Amino acid sequence: DAGITQSPRHKVTETGTPVTLRCHQTENHRYMYWYRQDPGHGLRLIHYSYGVKDTDKGEVSDGYSVSRSKTEDFLLTLESATSSQTSVYFCAISPTGGSKNIQYFGAGTRLSVL
Amino acid sequence: QKEVEQNSGPLSVPEGAIASLNCTYSDRGSQSFFWYRQYSGKSPELIMSIYSNGDKEDGRFTAQLNKASQYVSLLIRDSQPSDSATYLCAVVRNYGQNFVFGPGTRLSVLP
Repeated sequence: DAGITQSPRHKVTETGTPVTLRCHQTENHRYMYWYRQDPGHGLRLIHYSYGVKDTDKGEVSDGYSVSRSKTEDFLLTLESATSSQTSVYFCAISPTGGSKNIQYFGAGTRLSVL
Repeated sequence: QKEVEQNSGPLSVPEGAIASLNCTYSDRGSQSFFWYRQYSGKSPELIMSIYSNGDKEDGRFTAQLNKASQYVSLLIRDSQPSDSATYLCAVVRNYGQNFVFGPGTRLSVLP
């Protein structure tokens, strides 16, 4: 998975609890992304980062926050988890931005919010 | 209208046949196009990228792009059971940063 580690791989939590997912890369790539994947919707971008402490919102950012204090780590936080955030979360990295950036994906985190 | 559309399938083809997967997109200014393959329970992996009109071949895979008609396709020749997966089309908008993925087409190659 292109030097990308997501943790945890599986998590079950309760509505209203905070949850943090971690993406760690060993490629020293500048760009990192968080997606969620749900049946019928494909992959949807939550947030992305174009450098340390530089982040921006994606298509479905409500209810999520991110932080990137080091090049290798990109954290996704659900401040107060809801059942609608039950999903599979993928982290992706890219060496470059721009229109020809190729993204490489981590193995994913399966999150269930009860 | 969704930004990127694909037939959800399943598309079933016999082993050895050509599988044809199609994708249409709505943003006429889109610049870059990608095909990812995703096995059940796994992460997406890149198969092809294409940036210019025409065909691009890589082994058994050919990507075709027609910007005027706003579609991109993926042909898989000599399909194998191991090609059975969901194929995701991704489009990068004209301002370059964000991928927009289609919902994917599930391909089943029958032995």
